[in-house]
Amino acid sequence: EPEVTQTPSHQVTQMGQEVILRCVPISNHLYFYWYRQILGQKVEFLVSFYNNEISEKSEIFDDQFSVERPDGSNFTLKIRSTKLEDSAMYFCASSVVVLGSYEQYFGPGTRLTVT
Amino acid sequence: DQQVKQNSPSLSVQEGRISILNCDYTNSMFDYFLWYKKYPAEGPTFLISISSIKDKNEDGRFTVFLNKSAKHLSLHIVPSQPGDSAVYFCAASGAGGTSYGKLTFGQGTILTVHP
Repeated sequence: EPEVTQTPSHQVTQMGQEVILRCVPISNHLYFYWYRQILGQKVEFLVSFYNNEISEKSEIFDDQFSVERPDGSNFTLKIRSTKLEDSAMYFCASSVVVLGSYEQYFGPGTRLTVT
Repeated sequence: DQQVKQNSPSLSVQEGRISILNCDYTNSMFDYFLWYKKYPAEGPTFLISISSIKDKNEDGRFTVFLNKSAKHLSLHIVPSQPGDSAVYFCAASGAGGTSYGKLTFGQGTILTVHP
């Protein structure tokens, strides 16, 4: 069964460093998303991406964040200068979006630890 | 952000009995609702969804009920199995237009099914 994959599973970085989290969405899906879950808190929407541009972003997704689909398979989230509060699980998701069906399928997540 | 609320942090059920997980929402623009299951160190797994034009959707052991006037939905699992033990998240989306995304999640309910 097709699945969303994410690498790395765990990333440790120092405050102020840049990190890139990688995702390979399900191959026939057209919509891509990033969410995060800070320990003990809800899963929060960061950004959605369709047709090579951002469709929607939350207030969390400030200028430190960017997304890119550099080729036909990868979808990346870059955090330019990490802060301690960026420590969280980051989930990538994708969906095909047909009329009446908007399920999103999630990857296993990348645990980002900022020290 | 309390637009989607799961007021029960945990639920304990005997194997073979029914599990009922509840979710309330406040935003009347939500018109598509999903349930996800999550095991530790994994991403959310899609279980079942329902559009606001329906009041019930069934898939095997899982049934979701939607009461739009009460802004309430519930997930019924019958019969419950020990393998169902996980965190269950309710999520909502305002589908249509360009908002094919931005799932808003509840806090989750930890379901434990005892043998």
